[in-house]
Amino acid sequence: KAGVTQTPRYLIKTRGQQVTLSCSPISGHRSVSWYQQTPGQGLQFLFEYFSETQRNKGNFPGRFSGRQFSNSRSEMNVSTLELGDSALYLCASSPPTGGLHNSPLHFGNGTRLTVT
Amino acid sequence: GQQLNQSPQSMFIQEGEDVSMNCTSSSIFNTWLWYKQDPGEGPVLLIALYKAGELTSNGRLTAQFGITRKDSFLNISASIPSDVGIYFCAGQALAGTYKYIFGTGTRLKVLA
Repeated sequence: KAGVTQTPRYLIKTRGQQVTLSCSPISGHRSVSWYQQTPGQGLQFLFEYFSETQRNKGNFPGRFSGRQFSNSRSEMNVSTLELGDSALYLCASSPPTGGLHNSPLHFGNGTRLTVT
Repeated sequence: GQQLNQSPQSMFIQEGEDVSMNCTSSSIFNTWLWYKQDPGEGPVLLIALYKAGELTSNGRLTAQFGITRKDSFLNISASIPSDVGIYFCAGQALAGTYKYIFGTGTRLKVLA
């Protein structure tokens, strides 16, 4: 079974630009979450999508947005990039559990974004 | 941002030694997860815990969901060089949500 696939692996952008990152979840997983990882703040929750709807959102400014498509693939967009947006952006998908318990996250290898 | 207290922050151990690390929270959690992250890769799920007191093993790894639901422990027995990496705990406070809070990480280095 293929894992979570994120593209591109690396991105270099300049301040003020915008960027779109892509994530393909594990087959059969309908929940997709996005996390930002930095040395100073660690892993921070951005948002989570299920059936094309955003169900949860973290404490990030409105410049960070996302969406999910009918095939469960997801994209996140960051507009008006700032130097502090440099980070590893991780996507994770979660399997359905039938409500028995909470679903664990299965991560991709991330997109390393550098803003100059 | 919100993070869980994870300790130790880093540790150097000899190959063959046992390792223990833990995470604590001021909030009650319904789920605890443990991950390992290697350089340049995403975190890989090691163990998932869903009930207070639950003790689960995965090979040489054993993790426990604390009785108070505010902490969790990960033990690695007979460490080997490939155990090197950063270990993260993650907790989920609200059932049915997918917002996990992650620990600050434990960087493990194994000396052969």
